Amino acid sequence: DAMVIQNPRYQVTQFGKPVTLSCSQTLNHNVMYWYQQKSSQAPKLLFHYYDKDFNNEADTPDNFQSRRPNTSFCFLDIRSPGLGDAAMYLCATSIEAGPYEQYFGPGTRLTVT
Amino acid sequence: GENVEQHPSTLSVQEGDSAVIKCTYSDSASNYFPWYKQELGKGPQLIIDIRSNVGEKKDQRIAVTLNKTAKHFSLHITETQPEDSAVYFCAASFMEYGNKLVFGAGTILRVKS
Repeated sequence: DAMVIQNPRYQVTQFGKPVTLSCSQTLNHNVMYWYQQKSSQAPKLLFHYYDKDFNNEADTPDNFQSRRPNTSFCFLDIRSPGLGDAAMYLCATSIEAGPYEQYFGPGTRLTVT
Repeated sequence: GENVEQHPSTLSVQEGDSAVIKCTYSDSASNYFPWYKQELGKGPQLIIDIRSNVGEKKDQRIAVTLNKTAKHFSLHITETQPEDSAVYFCAASFMEYGNKLVFGAGTILRVKS
């Protein structure tokens, strides 16, 4: 089945230690999104890629970076995680940018110790 | 700025009863309104969506209604079952912000058997 895959499902990192979360998709969608979801809150968009074009949200901290080496893969890099970065990180895809259905992966739960 | 308000924050119903969740949005140009269901530890899953050229859409026990004039839309679940228990998020696309989805704060639905 075509799907959005996130690895790992659970990640523990130390305060200030860089961490990378990965997302892959078999849907061949043009757009890939990264959301941050804290406990009992709505998903918050961090940035998205339309093909190779990177689009950052204005309020996304510089500590968060992303890479998309090819259509299938997208990575979220947190350069110096703080305790406030502990959250569920969700990857999503859509066929095109704009008002289209977004398909979410299962998420990566990040813990910062 | 973009804003989606969702009510109620929690909803408890008896199995077999109906559940209604309401959302309002701020951008009159919004044209896409999805509803997502999120179970514990999982990513959001699209359950139904509606576009601004349609007033109502139904899929088995789930329906969504849209009132563009009042800028609100609602999710209706009939004959609720225990497996409907989850967090439900509404969202709206905001043209001014590149058609990104902005999510409501979520509704915890509990179906008591």
